[in-house]
Amino acid sequence: DGGITQSPKYLFRKEGQNVTLSCEQNLNHDAMYWYRQDPGQGLRLIYYSQIVNDFQKGDIAEGYSVSREKKESFPLTVTSAQKNPTAFYLCASSIGGYGYGYTFGSGTRLTVV
Amino acid sequence: GENVGLHLPTLSVQEGDNSIINCAYSNSASDYFIWYKQESGKGPQFIIDIRSNMDKRQGQRVTVLLNKTVKHLSLQIAATQPGDSAVYFCAEPPNSGGSNYKLTFGKGTLLTVNP
Repeated sequence: DGGITQSPKYLFRKEGQNVTLSCEQNLNHDAMYWYRQDPGQGLRLIYYSQIVNDFQKGDIAEGYSVSREKKESFPLTVTSAQKNPTAFYLCASSIGGYGYGYTFGSGTRLTVV
Repeated sequence: GENVGLHLPTLSVQEGDNSIINCAYSNSASDYFIWYKQESGKGPQFIIDIRSNMDKRQGQRVTVLLNKTVKHLSLQIAATQPGDSAVYFCAEPPNSGGSNYKLTFGKGTLLTVNP
């Protein structure tokens, strides 16, 4: 079955560390997205990529970095510059054209210890 | 989409009752809307979508109504079950027919179903 996989499900980060969240999809989708969700809050866009080797900042890109070297993969690195990284991170993908929804992964919960 | 919001942040219903979750939008050019369901600790799941050439669309136990006059859409869940307990988001693309197709999400409504 096609889908989008995020790993790990839970991640713990020490102060000052960079950590990378994995997102892989086998849906042949062109576009991929990273969202952050805080408790009781909506989804805030971190980065998105409409095509391989291209990505754009979303609304809250500071302290995060991404790469899009393969169509299937869109990893997110939470750097030490992100001062409040504890959150639930969601990756999504879409066909990329107008009028299509997203398929979401199951999320990664990141906690700073 | 300039603003996708929800009237009620929480909704509590009895099992078996019908649920109605509302969503307002401000961009009159919006022509495509999606409803997602997010269970606790999981990613959002697509429920149903509707395009502006329709007023109503039905799925399995769910119906979405679109009122373009007042820029309002609603999600109706028939015979609500405990498994329907979740946060429900509406979403819309920001620009009609443009190349920018990032969805804008509402803040969500928490639906709690009491047995």
